[in-house]
Amino acid sequence: EAGVAQSPRYKIIEKRQSVAFWCNPISGHATLYWYQQILGQGPKLLIQFQNNGVVDDSQLPKDRFSAERLKGVDSTLKIQPAKLEDSAVYLCASSLRQYNSPLHFGNGTRLTVT
Amino acid sequence: GENVEQHPSTLSVQEGDSAVIKCTYSDSASNYFPWYKQELGKRPQLIIDIRSNVGEKKDQRIAVTLNKTAKHFSLHITETQPEDSAVYFCAGTNNNDMRFGAGTRLTVKP
Repeated sequence: EAGVAQSPRYKIIEKRQSVAFWCNPISGHATLYWYQQILGQGPKLLIQFQNNGVVDDSQLPKDRFSAERLKGVDSTLKIQPAKLEDSAVYLCASSLRQYNSPLHFGNGTRLTVT
Repeated sequence: GENVEQHPSTLSVQEGDSAVIKCTYSDSASNYFPWYKQELGKRPQLIIDIRSNVGEKKDQRIAVTLNKTAKHFSLHITETQPEDSAVYFCAGTNNNDMRFGAGTRLTVKP
């Protein structure tokens, strides 16, 4: 099966600029996650979707981050305006079921904010 | 919510030795515990998982044990090989979001 697709692979922006990341989950996976992985740390959940509804966005910095999953398939994560501390790898993952199901990760987008 | 702690943060072993990584979790309702391996610059990949109704699970050189009373679970890698070198993450979920440990960098020296 095709894996989780993410783009772009790398992005360099200046602080206060905006950036958007795209994710296409595995076909048939209703649950989609965005994680932030800062160098040397474990992935931190930003937002979880079940189909096109938000299940959990408690750790999403809503003043600057937004995400949507229109039509319950592809998803976009946006940062506006970016800060230096947003430099990280942004991982998208999907799973077959909402609960207790393995996550399948994409290759991630490495964001560098200068 | 769930909080997962992982240790050690780094582990170095000689090829052929065993490696053990331990994680503790805070939410007694957590019922699913996967382990992921992340090689440098690559995506995390599931290597083994365990559910709360099972105490131990094995897959060739990899095993995971779960102690629900103590709220901890461990990854055991036997007969380590240089290609086992990577960062390993544990995770736990309580039918809500999945929380990850901070990771263990395993180095297997030839």
